[in-house]
Amino acid sequence: GDSVTQMEGPVTLSEEAFLTINCTYTATGYPSLFWYVQYPGEGLQLLLKATKADDKGSNKGFEATYRKETTSFHLEKGSVQVSDSAVYFCALSDRGAQKLVFGQGTRLTINP
Amino acid sequence: SQTIHQWPATLVQPVGSPLSLECTVEGTSNPNLYWYRQAAGRGLQLLFYSVGIGQISSEVPQNLSASRPQDRQFILSSKKLLLSDSGFYLCAWSVKGALGAFFGQGTRLTVV
Repeated sequence: GDSVTQMEGPVTLSEEAFLTINCTYTATGYPSLFWYVQYPGEGLQLLLKATKADDKGSNKGFEATYRKETTSFHLEKGSVQVSDSAVYFCALSDRGAQKLVFGQGTRLTINP
Repeated sequence: SQTIHQWPATLVQPVGSPLSLECTVEGTSNPNLYWYRQAAGRGLQLLFYSVGIGQISSEVPQNLSASRPQDRQFILSSKKLLLSDSGFYLCAWSVKGALGAFFGQGTRLTVV
């Protein structure tokens, strides 16, 4: 079945550092890809998405590009802030069933 | 605008007791509805999803069940809780044909 694999955390960075969180997927069709963010004690919020190959999703300084050839959707940010500390989830959605399949999540901590 | 309500926010239940978590969506009709569980330090696991009233698909066999008595109401239940049922339960909804889902604030369940 469809699956998502994220780099293991936790990830700890200093403020203004460059961030990359790796995400690769396995899917039978042409899924849509998402990054969700979960702040402490809260539900998930959609951060960005991409629906087809070479699409770039972006929001709040975060970016991710849908790479069909490498089946990847890595999350990047050029300069992180303390407020970016959260758990980040990569996910895919099968167009037919419309189910979201999540990776295991990556906990990010940014130190001032 | 659409909103999703999930309650209670926290719950402590003894082993063997019943469970009922409720989720309602406002501002939309005929949504897809989902229950996810997030165990401590782990990713999100899809438990159930529903594409319509009375239509429930189970993703993982366990002692939990779900029901959709009304179009915008999704209930997660158990007759007898196990210690392993502890976790963070998230309800979500999506628009049919659209991509991505919107999450509630979650219920933290501790079985003691």
